Amino acid sequence: ETGVTQSPTHLIKTRGQQVTLRCSSQSGHNTVSWYQQALGQGPQFIFQYYREEENGRGNFPPRFSGLQFPNYSSELNVNALELDDSALYLCASSLPGQLYEQYFGPGTRLTVT
Amino acid sequence: KNQVEQSPQSLIILEGKNCTLQCNYTVSPFSNLRWYKQDTGRGPVSLTIMTFSENTKSNGRYTATLDADTKQSSLHITASQLSDSASYICVVSARGTNAGKSTFGDGTTLTVKP
Repeated sequence: ETGVTQSPTHLIKTRGQQVTLRCSSQSGHNTVSWYQQALGQGPQFIFQYYREEENGRGNFPPRFSGLQFPNYSSELNVNALELDDSALYLCASSLPGQLYEQYFGPGTRLTVT
Repeated sequence: KNQVEQSPQSLIILEGKNCTLQCNYTVSPFSNLRWYKQDTGRGPVSLTIMTFSENTKSNGRYTATLDADTKQSSLHITASQLSDSASYICVVSARGTNAGKSTFGDGTTLTVKP
């Protein structure tokens, strides 16, 4: 286990709805990245947060947004869900100065119907 | 455009046998290359990290090699076990970019049969 937890484990939503996914990092990990992983593909970078500020973003529309809290836990919010948003959503945390040592959570499986 | 290509896409081997997975990349300028193991429905777990100056790194039965000149890496698994069944993902980072923006391959799915 990596010490990174995500909730919920599975989620089913209807097209057009909104969803919030949560990630709890390891203690002291002030950097968290979120990824979308479609079946059979590698993770795609959504965005990264460092000390509660967005610190980089991938090619995802603004309806994907996030938050990082003072305790370094974080949220991924997705508005106006589309069928193509169905995927495994992963968060990964890392220590200051060891940004490439990423510890991934188990993911949240989102299904949009 | 930065890309990471992995081969084969899938592989089936018998327990106890060795295997080698390949990763070719076009990411530039190169910073580091990482191999992850991802069990079905789980998050990736780091196996090795290699920088430009390293050409081999081991983690138990896993040995990764890097040829920065040809932009190729391989992951060799020795004496495979049933628990090695998973997807193996190659990730390459460019120097000066956000670590999260690393380029991920689509993975090689390894199945180890008894």
